[in-house]
Amino acid sequence: RKEVEQDPGPFNVPEGATVAFNCTYSNSASQSFFWYRQDCRKEPKLLMSVYSSGNEDGRFTAQLNRASQYISLLIRDSKLSDSATYLCVVNSWGQGNLIFGKGTKLSVKP
Amino acid sequence: DGGITQSPKYLFRKEGQNVTLSCEQNLNHDAMYWYRQDPGQGLRLIYYSQIVNDFQKGDIAEGYSVSREKKESFPLTVTSAQKNPTAFYLCASSTPNQPQHFGDGTRLSIL
Repeated sequence: RKEVEQDPGPFNVPEGATVAFNCTYSNSASQSFFWYRQDCRKEPKLLMSVYSSGNEDGRFTAQLNRASQYISLLIRDSKLSDSATYLCVVNSWGQGNLIFGKGTKLSVKP
Repeated sequence: DGGITQSPKYLFRKEGQNVTLSCEQNLNHDAMYWYRQDPGQGLRLIYYSQIVNDFQKGDIAEGYSVSREKKESFPLTVTSAQKNPTAFYLCASSTPNQPQHFGDGTRLSIL
């Protein structure tokens, strides 16, 4: 089983749609979880951290299910500018480095 | 402004040539990282350093070398032993176990 797995997509959705991405991770000792956004030919940028209780930032909601070892990202009221690749990222305590999923590509259409 | 600076933005390598990619950060981060990204692929860790004068191999270290003589700097050398070096190279830094911040990358191509 790969360390961090994501559905590669692409997810093609109309503006205003709600879209959800899931990500599974293999290391039950993982302690920190993040979603990054990467635009085409650009560097990844931190979108949000994922907390055990779930957290929201505007139109974006992140949730963590430790028992099932998966993380989700929900985007409400999609905008054209949300089109990007979304990377699920996991940090195992003590390793000091992040494990990146391959990303899920989102394309929001008018 | 605090941040991570990678240079050059584009780099071309001839056969048999070593090239060095620069990465400088003024965020006072202890940890620095180098990743490689191929088209349509995820990030793969080349090397990382959690403290000055120490670094560890990542998943794909063969054909690469690094140094960490200063906290601010973590240069990556792509040696002639790396037979398929064409890729997008990303440098990142962080405090331990915190999100990483990335530079805007270097695109390396073979002439």
